[in-house]
This record gives sequence, C-alpha cells and structure tokens, in this order.
Amino acid sequence: DGGITQSPKYLFRKEGQNVTLSCEQNLNHDAMYWYRQDPGQGLRLIYYSQIVNDFQKGDIAEGYSVSREKKESFPLTVTSAQKNPTAFYLCASSIRTSAVYEQYFGPGTRLTVT
Amino acid sequence: GQQVMQIPQYQHVQEGEDFTTYCNSSTTLSNIQWYKQRPGGHPVFLIQLVKSGEVKKQKRLTFQFGEAKKNSSLHITATQTTDVGTYFCAGPGEGYQLIWGAGTKLIIKP
Repeated sequence: DGGITQSPKYLFRKEGQNVTLSCEQNLNHDAMYWYRQDPGQGLRLIYYSQIVNDFQKGDIAEGYSVSREKKESFPLTVTSAQKNPTAFYLCASSIRTSAVYEQYFGPGTRLTVT
Repeated sequence: GQQVMQIPQYQHVQEGEDFTTYCNSSTTLSNIQWYKQRPGGHPVFLIQLVKSGEVKKQKRLTFQFGEAKKNSSLHITATQTTDVGTYFCAGPGEGYQLIWGAGTKLIIKP
C-alpha cells in the first residue's frame, strides 16, 4: 500500500531538547510538506520541499529545521529555539508543488514538551 | 496577506439535519480544495473546484465555487454520525503554498 508514515504517534520531550520527527512516503511524490496544527486552528505551513536537497520556509519556520536527502524522506527537527513546540505535526506530500494537486497526509505526530 | 476565512467555527446539529460551512478568500482563487479531518485523524482530500460557479456533488455532499471565485461552500444533507469531523477549505497562496481555513467542526448532538 502506498502512503505516508510518520513516527512516532506520540512524543514527549523536556524543554531545551531538540527532537526529530520522521516522515516517509512511498508515493513517488516530488513535493513534501510539514504543517503544524493547534487546537481550533487550521494548518500552518512550516517547511516544504519541491525536490531532493531543496526546501523552502513556510509561514512559521522559526525554531524548526528540515532536510531532504532522499525523495522518500523529509524529517523535521523541532529545536529548543521553538518557543511553543507542543502541537500536532502533520507531514504531507503531493505529486508536485502546486496548489492544484491534492495533498496526502500522514497520521501525524503529537508532540508534548514540558 | 492573503487569508482564507471559514465559518462557522463549530456547528452542532441533530442527526438528520443539514450542515453548511462557508469559505471566503480575500483574493480571487484559481481553485479551492476541501478536506475532512476525523477526530484524532489527519486531513483527507475530498474535492477540488476550479471553474467559476462550479457545483459538484458526492452523495450527500454538495460543493460550490462562487461566480467570483472568492468563496465556496460545502453542504451536507441529512447528516450522519460518519460525517462528524472538521471540514477545511484551502486555496492557493504565494508560491506553492496552500492557505487553509480554520475549519468548521461538525458535531452531532446526542
């Protein structure tokens, strides 16, 4: 089955620690995205990548970093510089980066930082 | 900057009643997408509208794109418990981004 996997489903960290969220897709999609979702709000774009070794900042990139070394993988690191990291993080992919293509989402990772 | 506003934030209905969510953009949209997110789940693509005045139906769901391509709506007829979730609209923003509405949460009253 093709799809997007994110791990882990739940993640707990202490303040001041960096944490990396995994995202893998086997859909052969060029574009990948990271969103943050807070209760009662829409999705806010953190980073996106059009192709391997290329990525762009979204609206809320501060305190986050990404890499795209392989087409299938787009890990997100939440650094200690992110002031309010507790949130639901969603990874998505689409055939290409354009708003005309539907986005496919992974199951998400719920990060709690205390 | 460009915004996509979605109302209402919540809608409580009795099972069998209709549900409608509205999406308004500050700018003309080339297209608009709708997604559904079940409680505890992730967004799932429902449909894309492209043409001015377009109306598309999926069983009990009716999607409309306004004539000016600045607004859209989703109407569900005779809601069922399986319809519970949050419905999002999303339109193209700067670059390759989708700009998302805040979503409308459909709650079925017991």
